[in-house]
Amino acid sequence: SAVISQKPSRDICQRGTSLTIQCQVDSQVTMMFWYRQQPGQSLTLIATANQGSEATYESGFVIDKFPISRPNLTFSTLTVSNMSPEDSSIYLCSAGTSGVLYEQYFGPGTRLTVT
Amino acid sequence: GEDVEQSLFLSVREGDSSVINCTYTDSSSTYLYWYKQEPGAGLQLLTYIFSNMDMKQDQRLTVLLNKKDKHLSLRIADTQTGDSAIYFCAVQGYSTLTFGKGTMLLVSP
Repeated sequence: SAVISQKPSRDICQRGTSLTIQCQVDSQVTMMFWYRQQPGQSLTLIATANQGSEATYESGFVIDKFPISRPNLTFSTLTVSNMSPEDSSIYLCSAGTSGVLYEQYFGPGTRLTVT
Repeated sequence: GEDVEQSLFLSVREGDSSVINCTYTDSSSTYLYWYKQEPGAGLQLLTYIFSNMDMKQDQRLTVLLNKKDKHLSLRIADTQTGDSAIYFCAVQGYSTLTFGKGTMLLVSP
């Protein structure tokens, strides 16, 4: 298994600003992902963070709004840009190994409130 | 795309068994997972089952899979107050997971 940490754990931000969330994994992993969990909702995949290349975004999410970096096999960042109250959510980083069995391990999440 | 449905809430008494149900739509799914999320925490992988299996038991947890009906269940034996959490069913697609909305399990003493 992998242990994943995220920073910050929570933040309150003003409308129009940006926040960068960091995700650190304690071992090298093939895959890293960013999810959004809105209140009372399930997890929605934002994008797959690819090491050394641009992230792969899911429908409804764009790079200008959610730029992602993954400089190496253990670290990734997600930026929430030009925030609005609708961006208030929990943002979760996950990491896993590719292959037939697709185990994903999750970080504790970043609780973002936009005022 | 894949659709995963779960009942939203389940309440049981301590010591009883809990059964959390999940249905999905994509019959080509290979692995199916159960995650647990405690308040203020991330998701913890509880168990998984491969699609060619009917049942998997892991201590107090029993996973049942009815592939024909695309129905997955998680049974927790001798439920404890520490089992109170949100339980997510997740289905593996090509390279991503699709999650249900989660079932909140409340265990009363």
